[in-house]
Amino acid sequence: AQSVTQPDIHITVSEGASLELRCNYSYGATPYLFWYVQSPGQGLQLLLKYFSGDTLVQGIKGFEAEFKRSQSSFNLRKPSVHWSDAAEYFCAVGAIDSNYQLIWGAGTKLIIKP
Amino acid sequence: DVKVTQSSRYLVKRTGEKVFLECVQDMDHENMFWYRQDPGLGLRLIYFSYDVKMKEKGDIPEGYSVSREKKERFSLILESASTNQTSMYLCASSLTRDRVFGSGTRLTVV
Repeated sequence: AQSVTQPDIHITVSEGASLELRCNYSYGATPYLFWYVQSPGQGLQLLLKYFSGDTLVQGIKGFEAEFKRSQSSFNLRKPSVHWSDAAEYFCAVGAIDSNYQLIWGAGTKLIIKP
Repeated sequence: DVKVTQSSRYLVKRTGEKVFLECVQDMDHENMFWYRQDPGLGLRLIYFSYDVKMKEKGDIPEGYSVSREKKERFSLILESASTNQTSMYLCASSLTRDRVFGSGTRLTVV
């Protein structure tokens, strides 16, 4: 079955510390991979995406993610978090041959300690 | 700046009412989507549309219908609202795979 797992419901990180949010997927075909961020009371904003090529992808707001096919993972990283990064983060997987299908993780809520 | 606009941020409706949630995009995107967001469940697709007057069921279409009479507008209709439809509703549009989301409508059915 196709699925996306974000193992951490909540993560608490001190401001200035590094961050890694985990995303594992189960998908039969070649996947397209996305990370979105949702600030409180807002819609979702695309952080970055992977379609092909270099497996280390740079996104907005200083985020990056690495696609590891052997581990079926697409973890999101940031070297130094800011209080404004407090939000909920969603990983999603799409089919290479479809514009419509996206499978979403349940989200990870990031809490920043001052 | 490209935008997806949802007409209401908060709505409170009574059980049994017919509810319309409106969504407008200004990007000339072909595809539009309605999602429901509940804590711990991520986003679940209700319906999507790939062209005017075209619609496809998503994962949880029961109790909902949609209308797309113009390319820029995609409406979600709750035929007879029930308390289990209390949720955050997110509209999105896309040209290919990237979704652009609206700010969401938090619907409470009492």
